Amino acid sequence: QVQLQESGPEVVKPSQTLSLTCTVSGGSISSGSFYWSWIRQSAGKGLEWIGRVYRSGNTNYNPSLESRVTMSVDTSKNQFSLQLSSLTAADTAVYYCARGVRYGGYEVAFDSWGQGLLVSVST
Amino acid sequence: SFELTQPPSVSVSPGQTARITCSGEALPKQYSYWYQQKPGQAPVLLIYKDTERPSGVPERFTGSTSGTTATLTISAVQAEDEADYYCQSVDSTPTYVFGTGTRVTVL
Repeated sequence: QVQLQESGPEVVKPSQTLSLTCTVSGGSISSGSFYWSWIRQSAGKGLEWIGRVYRSGNTNYNPSLESRVTMSVDTSKNQFSLQLSSLTAADTAVYYCARGVRYGGYEVAFDSWGQGLLVSVST
Repeated sequence: SFELTQPPSVSVSPGQTARITCSGEALPKQYSYWYQQKPGQAPVLLIYKDTERPSGVPERFTGSTSGTTATLTISAVQAEDEADYYCQSVDSTPTYVFGTGTRVTVL
């Protein structure tokens, strides 16, 4: 069974860039029709999809964050990454990486998730 | 992008049925998906493509849809079903949108 694990800093200063990595085990990031996504959740709030990357490197981002987001994939390491720039306190959240299973067209279900990493934006 | 609206909370007694609705204009055109999230844990996929259950999800969880509303029904609710539930769908951008979330309390 595939497992995902987020890694990166837990505290980042305002205006800086957050860099997170998701390591996939139990399956190859290059196989199957899977999209690899980042999703975040602010304290006491709901879930917000940040973006996704395919094994080819193709990406799609949430329009509300697109100007600050960059995602990439490293198939040799079985990892994918998120960079989020110009951080503010509003970016404080639990960041999850997740696997999206494609069901045709744009239809995707997130069937495997990492445990989540709490990132605080603070001086 | 569009919005998916859920009731903030639903309370149910053990053994009874809980119904959680998810309303959104995109739902007649796109599938709905449902997730369960317990405190301190990542969400877990319960329902995909409106009505399908991944292996391992108990049969008491069922999904349905009608027009602009998707519904998650939990039959014979158990104490362990106390959690937050989120619906999800997608628009043509694509942007994946989650519902506002519903907290289910088992009395």
